Amino acid sequence: TQLLEQSPQFLSIQEGENLTVYCNSSSVFSSLQWYRQEPGEGPVLLVTVVTGGEVKKLKRLTFQFGDARKDSSLHITAAQPGDTGLYLCAGGRGADGLTFGKGTHLIIQP
Amino acid sequence: GAGVSQTPSNKVTEKGKYVELRCDPISGHTALYWYRQSLGQGPEFLIYFQGTGAADDSGLPNDRFFAVRPEGSVSTLKIQRTERGDSAVYLCASSLDLRDTQYFGPGTRLTVL
Repeated sequence: TQLLEQSPQFLSIQEGENLTVYCNSSSVFSSLQWYRQEPGEGPVLLVTVVTGGEVKKLKRLTFQFGDARKDSSLHITAAQPGDTGLYLCAGGRGADGLTFGKGTHLIIQP
Repeated sequence: GAGVSQTPSNKVTEKGKYVELRCDPISGHTALYWYRQSLGQGPEFLIYFQGTGAADDSGLPNDRFFAVRPEGSVSTLKIQRTERGDSAVYLCASSLDLRDTQYFGPGTRLTVL
């Protein structure tokens, strides 16, 4: 079974601070995706990374895929209250369904 | 609508009852996925369809769970003899084709009393 472990599980910081959350696995994934989920809604895709070492930026969010395609990180610069939510990483298994981590619950306090 | 829709949004049932959860994928999407998300957990893969056929149902927890997609569009997840442990949010996602981006619906929150 391929598992994705996310850390930290919970994170509460002040507005304006920077943060990094991690997604680690012992398995290689063909792709890795980051989702954000708000209460009562389904996950919304933020980014997909497919190449080892790949870095993608989405405004204040920077995503990195590890060289060995087993881990990834999400860095948020100058966090804002609107960034509050559950951040999920998910590994692609080819054509099959995604394998999700348990998520990082992020709270940005004004 | 433009996105994946799921009905009902909430379902409360009693232990032992039968329930059906419906998913309307984005028009034209050939792949459809069902996931289950328990409280405090990430979504857990259940089953996916390519067209009308279930391509992989290895995530279904037991034979009380069954899903169909008879015309290659709408899908129904069926749960027989519900148990309290079935309580969760059931998420549906669709993608244009296999390996394409999956778009999720808002989920159906199932509560088994």
